Amino acid sequence: AQTVTQSQPEMSVQEAETVTLSCTYDTSESDYYLFWYKQPPSRQMILVIRQEAYKQQNATENRFSVNFQKAAKSFSLKISDSQLGDAAMYFCAAYSGTYKYIFGTGTRLKVLA
Amino acid sequence: NAGVTQTPKFQVLKTGQSMTLQCAQDMNHEYMSWYRQDPGMGLRLIHYSVGAGITDQGEVPNGYNVSRSTTEDFPLRLLSAAPSQTSVYFCASSRSGGSVVGEQFFGPGTRLTVL
Repeated sequence: AQTVTQSQPEMSVQEAETVTLSCTYDTSESDYYLFWYKQPPSRQMILVIRQEAYKQQNATENRFSVNFQKAAKSFSLKISDSQLGDAAMYFCAAYSGTYKYIFGTGTRLKVLA
Repeated sequence: NAGVTQTPKFQVLKTGQSMTLQCAQDMNHEYMSWYRQDPGMGLRLIHYSVGAGITDQGEVPNGYNVSRSTTEDFPLRLLSAAPSQTSVYFCASSRSGGSVVGEQFFGPGTRLTVL
């Protein structure tokens, strides 16, 4: 079975600082995809970044980047130059050939002014 | 494009009542899914569909039915509501759930309370 684990229920970061959110996953598939979603207080789910497992290069989207460690089955999200608008719930998700996206339990990020 | 729309946004039911949560997308996506979000449990997959006429169960399907008669619509039916079904429900769609995996686009959610 595919599982996704986020072990940090809550994190805090000072504005303009860098924070890393952790995610580990488990899958028996060789081909899979990993995602980070952001859910602000509005409740709307927004894709932050995605990573294809076959790509060795870590994905980057502006201030957001991932550290993809395939052997360790780790997929952490780094947010640089944190902004007040980054405060939200962040969900890690995985998809493989079973047609199911599996989500972690989420990490609530607080940004301190 | 409206993207993924869900109705209603809020609903209160009494135990034993039935209702249908509506979901529609205008992006011609093959893959659609329903999730429930509960505090501390993330999003859990209820049912999904890889195309019109094809549906399958997710992690927590009990008490829910779905059908997919068109590409655009994917309603979720609660047959006999129970307090344990109090949750926020999200519908999502993506370009494909098969060999070409796309970003999932989510609706705004429906907050359901069962008394």
